[in-house]
Amino acid sequence: AQSVTQLGSHVSVSEGALVLLRCNYSSSVPPYLFWYVQYPNQGLQLLLKYTTGATLVKGINGFEAEFKKSETSFHLTKPSAHMSDAAEYFCAVSEGEYGNKLVFGAGTILRVKS
Amino acid sequence: ETGVTQTPRHLVMGMTNKKSLKCEQHLGHNAMYWYKQSAKKPLELMFVYSLEERVENNSVPSRFSPECPNSSHLFLHLHTLQPEDSALYLCASSQERPAGLFFGEGSRLTVL
Repeated sequence: AQSVTQLGSHVSVSEGALVLLRCNYSSSVPPYLFWYVQYPNQGLQLLLKYTTGATLVKGINGFEAEFKKSETSFHLTKPSAHMSDAAEYFCAVSEGEYGNKLVFGAGTILRVKS
Repeated sequence: ETGVTQTPRHLVMGMTNKKSLKCEQHLGHNAMYWYKQSAKKPLELMFVYSLEERVENNSVPSRFSPECPNSSHLFLHLHTLQPEDSALYLCASSQERPAGLFFGEGSRLTVL
């Protein structure tokens, strides 16, 4: 069965600093990988996804992630953090024939300091 | 109008009550999902409906009963819940391809 591990339940960065949120997955089939963001009292919003093709994926709000098969990783980065990036971030891997049932990591809460 | 709409946003109920959560999607998707989000736990997939047929039930207690009358609407009927069922219940929809899920804003349920 697929699984996702997010390293660090809390990450704190200064405004303008690099954001790096780590995600490792296990999957018995070629994975589809996703990052979601959740702001307080809201649902999850899709940031970006990897299905096939280019391993560096760009998403909304300046985020990007790189699929590294050899490391079974899909880390999320942003060159310069903004106060509005403070939220909880979830990595997910798909399972099922159509890749539409997601298994989520435990989440990482990003804090941005001014 | 958001793509996936959930009502009510907040619900407080006693253990003997019967209530329902409603989800409506306006994206033309053909699969819908219920997830449970509890504090300090990963999101748990509860039910999956594809083309209006239930294709997944992840060992969810029978006090939760889903209903999908058409591809745009999904309900979660609740009865004789327990306090540990208090959580955020998230509805999502997708197409039958790896495009990812689109979530509603959730229904915050408190069971007293």
